Amino acid sequence: DIQMTQSPSSLSASVGDRVTITCQASQDISNYLNWYQQKPGKAPKLLIYDASNLETGVPSRFSGSGSGTDFTFTISSLQPEDIATYYCQQYDNLLPYTFGQGTKLEIK
Amino acid sequence: QVQLQESGPGLVKPSETLSLTCAVSGYSISSGYYWGWIRQPPGKGLEWIGSIYHSGSTYYNPSLKSRVTISVDTSKNQFSLKLSSVTAADTAVYYCARGRGGSPAPFDPWGQGTLVTVSS
Repeated sequence: DIQMTQSPSSLSASVGDRVTITCQASQDISNYLNWYQQKPGKAPKLLIYDASNLETGVPSRFSGSGSGTDFTFTISSLQPEDIATYYCQQYDNLLPYTFGQGTKLEIK
Repeated sequence: QVQLQESGPGLVKPSETLSLTCAVSGYSISSGYYWGWIRQPPGKGLEWIGSIYHSGSTYYNPSLKSRVTISVDTSKNQFSLKLSSVTAADTAVYYCARGRGGSPAPFDPWGQGTLVTVSS
């Protein structure tokens, strides 16, 4: 299996802060990397697909970058409604598709 | 707007078979896309279970492959999950989701999820 290592596992930041989460794959996955947001009691929501493409309707303060094994997810200016757990997910040809362990984002 | 809704028993006994259905509205399954199942144990992360193409081709997580069957019923516009020989480790919220574009992933949109507890 391709292991996805996300860091940090939790993060506390202030409104307006720039927030960065990283995700490292155990092998080259090109740009087959997605980012999801999950609010408590809700299903995950796709934010970024193929490493850097913003899903339609998602605010532009969210962005993603990277390729190969190292990926970054950024919120340029944290808003109160961004409180959630964020997951990366790879979908390289090698099954299974796997998720990172999640990053729980809280407001300071 | 595509919407997915999971349904099925919320309690399953150990060693029995878990059966869930995902009803799709706003889109005809027979028109295309992959359709998948993902689960999340309480307080834990996400695990992809498997996906099915509208034509019936399936892709399963190798760790679950011996116990999983995913099928599609285009006449009812729904797809189903069966997981056999369940144990307490299979207790989770089970989500159904559509694959985006011509691939099983990324997953978008998702159903709201249904909690399945394995207990006697």
